[in-house]
Amino acid sequence: TQLLEQSPQFLSIQEGENLTVYCNSSSVFSSLQWYRQEPGEGPVLLVTVVTGGEVKKLKRLTFQFGDARKDSSLHITAAQPGDTGLYLCAGAGGSGNTGKLIFGQGTTLQVKP
Amino acid sequence: ETGVTQTPRHLVMGMTNKKSLKCEQHLGHNAMYWYKQSAKKPLELMFVYNFKEQTENNSVPSRFSPECPNSSHLFLHLHTLQPEDSALYLCASSRLGQVNQPQHFGDGTRLSIL
Repeated sequence: TQLLEQSPQFLSIQEGENLTVYCNSSSVFSSLQWYRQEPGEGPVLLVTVVTGGEVKKLKRLTFQFGDARKDSSLHITAAQPGDTGLYLCAGAGGSGNTGKLIFGQGTTLQVKP
Repeated sequence: ETGVTQTPRHLVMGMTNKKSLKCEQHLGHNAMYWYKQSAKKPLELMFVYNFKEQTENNSVPSRFSPECPNSSHLFLHLHTLQPEDSALYLCASSRLGQVNQPQHFGDGTRLSIL
């Protein structure tokens, strides 16, 4: 059974601080997707990383896929209150075109002004 | 607007009631999914439909009955639910046949069982 462990599960920080969220597994994934979910809404895709060692940047968010494609991290620089939400990582197994995703349990981020 | 619409947004029902959740996607996708989201637990995949055919049932109790009449519509029929079934039910869609496609989620139905 493929599992994704996300840490920390909850993070409360002040505006302007940096943070990193980790997503780890013993399984290899064909890709890793990161989603953000706000209260009352469904998850929305932030980024997909596919190649081992890949780094993608989305404004103040930096996503990295581990060399062995078993882990990923999300780093936020100078967090803003608008970054508050639930961050979910999801791994695509097999050839990556079955549509099935394995989700981590999520990291709830609260950024206080 | 995500292109995936779920109704109703909120539902309160008794354990003996029968109700249905509806999901519609306007993205031209060919796969649709039902997930259950409970507090402090990972998103639980319930059912997967590819081209209207059910390809996955993750040991979901028979009190949940999915229906996919076409690639754009997905239903979840509910009957004799239990209090532990209270959760946010999310529908998603994606495009199969291309590698690593993301899933597009609706905003969910918040279900409360009395």
